[in-house]
Amino acid sequence: NAGVTQTPKFQVLKTGQSMTLQCAQDMNHEYMSWYRQDPGMGLRLIHYSVGAGITDQGEVPNGYNVSRSTTEDFPLRLLSAAPSQTSVYFCASSYSWEGNTEAFFGQGTRLTVV
Amino acid sequence: QQPVQSPQAVILREGEDAVINCSSSKALYSVHWYRQKHGEAPIFLMILLKGGEQKGHDKISASFNEKKQQSSLYLTASQLSYSGTYFCGTERFDSSYKLIFGSGTRLLVRP
Repeated sequence: NAGVTQTPKFQVLKTGQSMTLQCAQDMNHEYMSWYRQDPGMGLRLIHYSVGAGITDQGEVPNGYNVSRSTTEDFPLRLLSAAPSQTSVYFCASSYSWEGNTEAFFGQGTRLTVV
Repeated sequence: QQPVQSPQAVILREGEDAVINCSSSKALYSVHWYRQKHGEAPIFLMILLKGGEQKGHDKISASFNEKKQQSSLYLTASQLSYSGTYFCGTERFDSSYKLIFGSGTRLLVRP
């Protein structure tokens, strides 16, 4: 099993550009989520999904869109990149949405917006 | 609202013990603990569910005080490999499906 795979690992965008961060898991997990990590602020929840076709907002959803058309994939879209979106982005998945199972994290995407 | 972790940073000598605390102002369903090394993804350590249980994993254990909505992570006889940033993640009863993390505790173990 590959676990949780994120692509790309690094990306530089210009202000105003759009892009999609990819996340795929091969563990048949119901629950998937996106976090951003900034120095001194820990991991902040952007969006999450409890199953295919179901998504909802986390703590910091503005400027990001998600969709979950399959169990395996949970892409994160930046609509119009801003320098404030410079961060490391982690995708995570869990077997259950009930909060009682561990989260598996991808290796992260380091995004710089100039 | 993020859980509050303390201390923000700890420096230990190899073999010393440490305690990291995580508290919430709201009723919690579960508390997760993760460790992250620089440039890597967070790695799961343990989960505690409401019920005040204590769990252990080698020389790392944790407790969950349901009445205080507080969890503590205990690192005993620390090893160099324990260095990293420790995060608690909490799921509240009034905010289902959202695993919210604290800002982290940086732990450095020196020889």
